[in-house]
Amino acid sequence: DTEVTQTPKHLVMGMTNKKSLKCEQHMGHRAMYWYKQKAKKPPELMFVYSYEKLSINESVPSRFSPECPNSSLLNLHLHALQPEDSALYLCASSQSGTASYEQYFGPGTRLTVT
Amino acid sequence: RKEVEQDPGPFNVPEGATVAFNCTYSNSASQSFFWYRQDCRKEPKLLMSVYSSGNEDGRFTAQLNRASQYISLLIRDSKLSDSATYLCVVTLPKAGGGNKLTFGTGTQLKVEL
Repeated sequence: DTEVTQTPKHLVMGMTNKKSLKCEQHMGHRAMYWYKQKAKKPPELMFVYSYEKLSINESVPSRFSPECPNSSLLNLHLHALQPEDSALYLCASSQSGTASYEQYFGPGTRLTVT
Repeated sequence: RKEVEQDPGPFNVPEGATVAFNCTYSNSASQSFFWYRQDCRKEPKLLMSVYSSGNEDGRFTAQLNRASQYISLLIRDSKLSDSATYLCVVTLPKAGGGNKLTFGTGTQLKVEL
């Protein structure tokens, strides 16, 4: 049973909409991550926050905007998305941003852009 | 060459069989290694970390060979519930500092009656 929660579970949005994905972890972790996963592909890293600061942006288009209001919360703001952005968006957390700590994933938000 | 490579499978095995998955990674500076499992339309779940000395958790045994840049996962006495995609995950150093998880494409396992 995951201690990383994500809302909503499913989201359908038009290309002109603005929406946000939310993630919360209750494990006291200090690093949080956003991943994008297309069908039959592995997750691809988008952003990393370490101690509430953005530490990695994997050259993600600006229509995706992350936000970390505190160490437990992570948001992903979406604006003017394209149909090819439809995917499963996974949030993860780890004890810290260093290499040796395992990441724990939330159940994901399945996004469809119409 | 991909950073992390796995045989995509599928591996179809009878219940009770022993099955082994392999994974190779290209960057010798890789630091940490993990196996995750992912069920269809679910999130990846950590199965086990992989250490140079090898480690075992019940029916699962993981091995790391740094010289050959090779990771393995052995599942003994496979159960129907072991059917999933197994993802090899490597932590790679990132240009400019920091590390990130890089996932292999996954190996699909189907355990049959």
